[in-house]
Amino acid sequence: DQQVKQNSPSLSVQEGRISILNCDYTNSMFDYFLWYKKYPAEGPTFLISISSIKDKNEDGRFTVFLNKSAKHLSLHIVPSQPGDSAVYFCAAYYGGSQGNLIFGKGTKLSVKP
Amino acid sequence: SQTIHQWPATLVQPVGSPLSLECTVEGTSNPNLYWYRQAAGRGLQLLFYSVGIGQISSEVPQNLSASRPQDRQFILSSKKLLLSDSGFYLCAWSAGLAGSDTQYFGPGTRLTVL
Repeated sequence: DQQVKQNSPSLSVQEGRISILNCDYTNSMFDYFLWYKKYPAEGPTFLISISSIKDKNEDGRFTVFLNKSAKHLSLHIVPSQPGDSAVYFCAAYYGGSQGNLIFGKGTKLSVKP
Repeated sequence: SQTIHQWPATLVQPVGSPLSLECTVEGTSNPNLYWYRQAAGRGLQLLFYSVGIGQISSEVPQNLSASRPQDRQFILSSKKLLLSDSGFYLCAWSAGLAGSDTQYFGPGTRLTVL
């Protein structure tokens, strides 16, 4: 049973527009959420995170929104740039998991010039 | 600064052959180390993690094993590879085990089992 779900395997957006990547989770024990970005043939790199005590965290062009009642989080990229084209993984963590991040399957974002 | 190395970058192995993937971290002491696998069409799956030398926790039962012979060295092994072992293997490290402790990933090893 997948605890972290990214239901859109791919997303295509025009350069300059907003990219919205979605993530749903089922475990209400999760208290920390992260987004990782991955280019082909490279390891993922940390992008942005949010604690469950917040509903929004912003870092430059990247904003993560958390809706705990809906068990849903989203990553907004504004404005989108061609260099943002990558696979984005949503990950979740809870205190009892001892470092065990639960990752979603990823969403491949393509930003077209 | 900290860096994490993995080798080899790509590997093609026949079914039934052994496997040894190595990961080393530089620039930090007593890191927490992780092995992940990304199989085709699937997310990142945690295989093993280690909080210290000789301390290995297995998250998924399989024909793989891990060892940590030195503080900054993490090895993933198999005695006999299966077709289902094909995938992209990633090593990662973190300073702590909390969710807020960023995990830093290596470049990965693409393993193809034929």
